[in-house]
Amino acid sequence: DTAVSQTPKYLVTQMGNDKSIKCEQNLGHDTMYWYKQDSKKFLKIMFSYNNKELIINETVPNRFSPKSPDKAHLNLHINSLELGDSAVYFCASSQVRGLSGNTIYFGEGSWLTVV
Amino acid sequence: DQQVKQNSPSLSVQEGRISILNCDYTNSMFDYFLWYKKYPAEGPTFLISISSIKDKNEDGRFTVFLNKSAKHLSLHIVPSQPGDSAVYFCAASGTNAGKSTFGDGTTLTVKP
Repeated sequence: DTAVSQTPKYLVTQMGNDKSIKCEQNLGHDTMYWYKQDSKKFLKIMFSYNNKELIINETVPNRFSPKSPDKAHLNLHINSLELGDSAVYFCASSQVRGLSGNTIYFGEGSWLTVV
Repeated sequence: DQQVKQNSPSLSVQEGRISILNCDYTNSMFDYFLWYKKYPAEGPTFLISISSIKDKNEDGRFTVFLNKSAKHLSLHIVPSQPGDSAVYFCAASGTNAGKSTFGDGTTLTVKP
């Protein structure tokens, strides 16, 4: 069973398009995240939701809009895609209050290429 | 301003030897430190962690050492195995896991 699953794994799209990446976790965690790994391999947090409420919103363009229909899902919608959006996007979850403390569980990543 | 740094982008060791991966941080508010391992085309997976109240945590072949005064932590893998070849990320956080700050990663290659 995949604990954190995200789809699609690979996505190639043209500039200006709108696309979504879906994420689901079956770990019963309260908190979900989106991370971006850019060409320099840095892992940077974009958003964090706790029980469907946005708690972290780093400096991310408004074209990126996360949506959390329930605490097991956090989808990422990107409008008007730009070349610089090409990256690997990782969904993740954690149970901050649990014994696992600050351990974050990552999905396998979604490779987005904007052409 | 990069608060967590892994100054060695790559490390190559012989199978059976010790691998030592280093990480430095600048934020004294960090109180929890983690190491993640990442294979190509996969997401990072949790490897080992250490709380700031400890200076050492061991799990099998993996040991993490924390030197708070130097704001430095290291991951020791002994003996190293070819399957350990991966990118290793150091991460640091305060009470909110979501604010975990990651280092750049170190690519470890263990040669048979």
